Amino acid sequence: EIVMTQSPGTLSVSPGESAALSCKASQSVSSYLAWYQQKPGQAPRLLIYGASTRATGVPARFSGSGSGTEFTLNISSLQSEDFAVYYCQQYENWLHTFGQGTKLEIK
Amino acid sequence: QVQLQESGPGLVKPSETLSLTCTVSGVSITSYYWSWIRQSPGKGLEWIGYFYYLGNTNYNPSLKTRVTISADTSKNQVSLKLRSMTAADTAIYFCAREFSGDYFDSWGQGAQVTVSS
Repeated sequence: EIVMTQSPGTLSVSPGESAALSCKASQSVSSYLAWYQQKPGQAPRLLIYGASTRATGVPARFSGSGSGTEFTLNISSLQSEDFAVYYCQQYENWLHTFGQGTKLEIK
Repeated sequence: QVQLQESGPGLVKPSETLSLTCTVSGVSITSYYWSWIRQSPGKGLEWIGYFYYLGNTNYNPSLKTRVTISADTSKNQVSLKLRSMTAADTAIYFCAREFSGDYFDSWGQGAQVTVSS
């Protein structure tokens, strides 16, 4: 099983600033990585797939980068609606696994 | 626009079987992979397994002995059965479309399931 580790657990940022969320895989997943956003009481929402391709309707302030074992989700000019929990997920292996999440909170 | 809706009991007794149904609208279930994923405070997001048209299934090894995912194409529904439930199975259960067997691009709202006597 590929273990996905996200850091930090919680990130406090002011609106208008930028945030960088990290996701590391226990072994290479190439670019088979997705990012999701989850707000309280809602299902996760796909943001990024293929490590860097934005899903339909996702604002350009969200960008993904990385390959192999290290990945980053960057969010620029944070809006109030961006404060949520973010998860990464690998699909290089048929046994899909998720990271434990990073909570992005308002500073 | 694809929509998914989970339904089933919110409370299950220990040792009993959980049965959940995911009703899909906007697309035929014969065209995609359909997964079940659960979320609990202790284990986070956990992929349970998927169903693909013509009966192809794949399950998380940690649950494989207890889980069955099936589909009713006439009703455009995908179902989950999880046997021998324990408190550790208490979670929110989501159904999701798994694009090409990779990432999850559409999700249901989730169904809270509690295991308690």
